[in-house]
Amino acid sequence: EIVMTQSPATLSVSPGERATLSCRASQSVSSNLAWYQQKLGQAPRLLIYGTSTRAAGIPARFSGSGSGTEFTLTISSLQSEDFAIYYCQQYNNGYTFGPGTKLEIK
Amino acid sequence: QITLKESAPTLVKPTQTLTLTCTFSGFSVSTSGVGVGWIRQPPGKALEWLALIYWDDDKRYSPSLKSRLTITKDTSKNQVVLTMTNMDPVDTATYYCAPVGVYDPTGDWFDPWGQGTLVTVSS
Repeated sequence: EIVMTQSPATLSVSPGERATLSCRASQSVSSNLAWYQQKLGQAPRLLIYGTSTRAAGIPARFSGSGSGTEFTLTISSLQSEDFAIYYCQQYNNGYTFGPGTKLEIK
Repeated sequence: QITLKESAPTLVKPTQTLTLTCTFSGFSVSTSGVGVGWIRQPPGKALEWLALIYWDDDKRYSPSLKSRLTITKDTSKNQVVLTMTNMDPVDTATYYCAPVGVYDPTGDWFDPWGQGTLVTVSS
């Protein structure tokens, strides 16, 4: 089973600044990697699929990159509504989520 | 517009079997490339994928829970049902259903998600 890890567990960033979240797979998942955003009390929402393709309606400040085992989600200029928990998910071999990164206001 | 709604008892006793129903609209699970999956989230914890069923009745299960899970679909009712046997307090979680392949049949990302249903396991 592919294990996903995310770092850091918590990231404190000021509004307007850039946030960089990392996701690592225990073995290659090619580009079969998605990112989700979850706000308190809500269901997760798809942000990125195929490593770098934004889902419909997702602002351009969200971008994804990487391949193989190392992936990054970048939020270029944080807005107040972006503070949430972010999960990566691989779908190359089965389906596995990472433990999440909590993005909090600094 | 695609919508999904999960339904289940809010409280189950240890050792009982849980039946979760996902009722959806806006897509068909008989369409090539489409599947519906179940994901759960214990309070304050991360997401865990449980099972997924495809349009062709191909079924996938989490290796760690495979012995306890059964997923089925009823195309005519637009429903997917997941049963989980031998429930334990550690299975207390919000259970979500979500489809794959409805917007793009080439990849298995979950989009969109249902609102989730909280199931508590307690005697």
